[in-house]
Amino acid sequence: GNSVTQMEGPVTLSEEAFLTINCTYTATGYPSLFWYVQYPGEGLQLLLKATKADDKGSNKGFEATYRKETTSFHLEKGSVQVSDSAVYFCALRTNTGNQFYFGTGTSLTVIP
Amino acid sequence: GAVVSQHPSRVICKSGTSVKIECRSLDFQATTMFWYRQFPKQSLMLMATSNEGSKATYEQGVEKDKFLINHASLTLSTLTVTSAHPEDSSFYICSANSPDRGITEAFFGQGTRLTVV
Repeated sequence: GNSVTQMEGPVTLSEEAFLTINCTYTATGYPSLFWYVQYPGEGLQLLLKATKADDKGSNKGFEATYRKETTSFHLEKGSVQVSDSAVYFCALRTNTGNQFYFGTGTSLTVIP
Repeated sequence: GAVVSQHPSRVICKSGTSVKIECRSLDFQATTMFWYRQFPKQSLMLMATSNEGSKATYEQGVEKDKFLINHASLTLSTLTVTSAHPEDSSFYICSANSPDRGITEAFFGQGTRLTVV
């Protein structure tokens, strides 16, 4: 079956620290992979995506690489800011059937 | 990215009444819309998937007679919570994509906070 597992939070970091949020997936076929971010009281915003193996998605200093050999799509940022505080969701989309599977979300708090 | 607008953002209703939530894709034609429910500090729970012009496909455990979903056009889907009860209070979020037109990622609305009193 299809599923997404991401590291449990909450995660608390100091400003300018390095961020890694782990995400692994199980999927049949060749899914597309996404990271979404949710700020309090809002819907989810697409942060970055990768559609095939070895693709690197990047946006706003965040990046993640689609690793087929380890079935992973870890989110990284070199220097976090207070404004990055949010909940981050890893997700996959099946290429057949247009189904999305989300991880449980990881809450990140960045303190000054 | 594409814009999906959800309305209202907050609604309070009395127990036993019905509430309609709208989800609009503003700058693309969405062939597929998804409706989720999110409890505090929890992940998204998919309620149903609707394809334009077709009946929605509900997830197991979701009452289709209570959560009516209509996707009558390529830019609008509605979720109606009928005979709402306090346990229906939650954050409801829609998303949309159009894979047959190359828009594979899902774009989300802002969410609707429903409170049933």
